[in-house]
Amino acid sequence: GAVVSQHPSRVICKSGTSVKIECRSLDFQATTMFWYRQFPKQSLMLMATSNEGSKATYEQGVEKDKFLINHASLTLSTLTVTSAHPEDSSFYICSAPQGSGNTEAFFGQGTRLTVV
Amino acid sequence: GENVEQHPSTLSVQEGDSAVIKCTYSDSASNYFPWYKQELGKRPQLIIDIRSNVGEKKDQRIAVTLNKTAKHFSLHITETQPEDSAVYFCAAIIQGAQKLVFGQGTRLTINP
Repeated sequence: GAVVSQHPSRVICKSGTSVKIECRSLDFQATTMFWYRQFPKQSLMLMATSNEGSKATYEQGVEKDKFLINHASLTLSTLTVTSAHPEDSSFYICSAPQGSGNTEAFFGQGTRLTVV
Repeated sequence: GENVEQHPSTLSVQEGDSAVIKCTYSDSASNYFPWYKQELGKRPQLIIDIRSNVGEKKDQRIAVTLNKTAKHFSLHITETQPEDSAVYFCAAIIQGAQKLVFGQGTRLTINP
């Protein structure tokens, strides 16, 4: 199957700093990628849809100025958590469908963010 | 928007017995229903999926059934093994939207 690579896998940062997470499609082009957040023992909640060459679409309740998304190429989307606070500590995971329509989504490895 | 409800939240079965997890969805336009297995700290892994033009699909010990009229779908695992222990998520995609909406998850424990 297709491969989506996400980095870093773990990051610890100080409160008030920013953290960038990268999501790459290694063997296919992804015009669309999705960013999810998962708190402990909870489900994956969609944060935003990353669109190559255009602005991301954010889900209701997600602050676009806090979670900056850039999708500058067909293989890379980045999520930057700005001015991180302890409540932003979570598991962040990206996914990309390989083709148009309702096809299998391929997930990155996820990033465990801890804000201290 | 789409809403997916999943039950039960936890399920414990004896090794060798069957496990069934059920999900309902709200949007009749949804037409793709994947099931994922997630181990602690890992990415979700697709274990089986079904499209709305099919009522049932089976892959070895795993099967999924879909009732479009009732808007619910179920995961069936037979002859459970300890390595089946994990959190399982159902999901749905609205036709043309691509984004997944997940159920709340079921923590399945297989007791030896």
